[in-house]
Amino acid sequence: VVLTQSPGTLSLSPGQRATLSCRASQAISSHYLAWYQQKVGQGPRLLIFGASTRASGIPDRFSGSGSGTAFTLTISRLEPEDFAVYFCQIYGTSPVVTFGPGTKVEIK
Amino acid sequence: QGLLVESGGGVVRPGRALTLSCEATAFTFSSYTMHWVRQTPGQGLEWVALISGDGGTTYYADSVRGRFTISRDNSKNTLFLRMTGLRTEDSAIFFCARDRLVAPAAIDSWGQGTLVTVSS
Repeated sequence: VVLTQSPGTLSLSPGQRATLSCRASQAISSHYLAWYQQKVGQGPRLLIFGASTRASGIPDRFSGSGSGTAFTLTISRLEPEDFAVYFCQIYGTSPVVTFGPGTKVEIK
Repeated sequence: QGLLVESGGGVVRPGRALTLSCEATAFTFSSYTMHWVRQTPGQGLEWVALISGDGGTTYYADSVRGRFTISRDNSKNTLFLRMTGLRTEDSAIFFCARDRLVAPAAIDSWGQGTLVTVSS
């Protein structure tokens, strides 16, 4: 399964809503879809697992949705600390783990 | 939450070998499936390998199968990645990461990474 993320870069201002897309080349179980945030110089941080469940400590402005081949990460109102790169990821069979190419959310 | 600290990165010539280590603290290491994930600076994430909690099951990315070996020492709370036949394209930051203990699966803890540079 190949993951495609769009857009590649999203230029927004603090307070705006961000909508990030992750598409799979074939239908997948939402049980195995996760989203991560990565800031420069840091390891990724788990935001969402099971397509829609927030990880521990993740603010409720982050939400995940979708099924089949189309999944979405929404940040309802961007805070300054949310400007980062976001990756989607799935578990499969070969390879066992696949990441999308990422979406960079930058300050407009 | 758990803490993961990688070490062992450095500069190595093509064809040579290198072993990365990852020390885990603040959680029951032997209970968790562990991963190595790499990232070329400024690029995306590439999963490398995983190992089950008891070490009995391993999986590898096609790009490293036969060259890299993931292992663990649960008595020392340490994860390893033995890399042989290194290629310039293996140059990356290597992250040690932990899988969630229960379903649904996801990688819920990551180290800061260790940089491997393969260059002549």
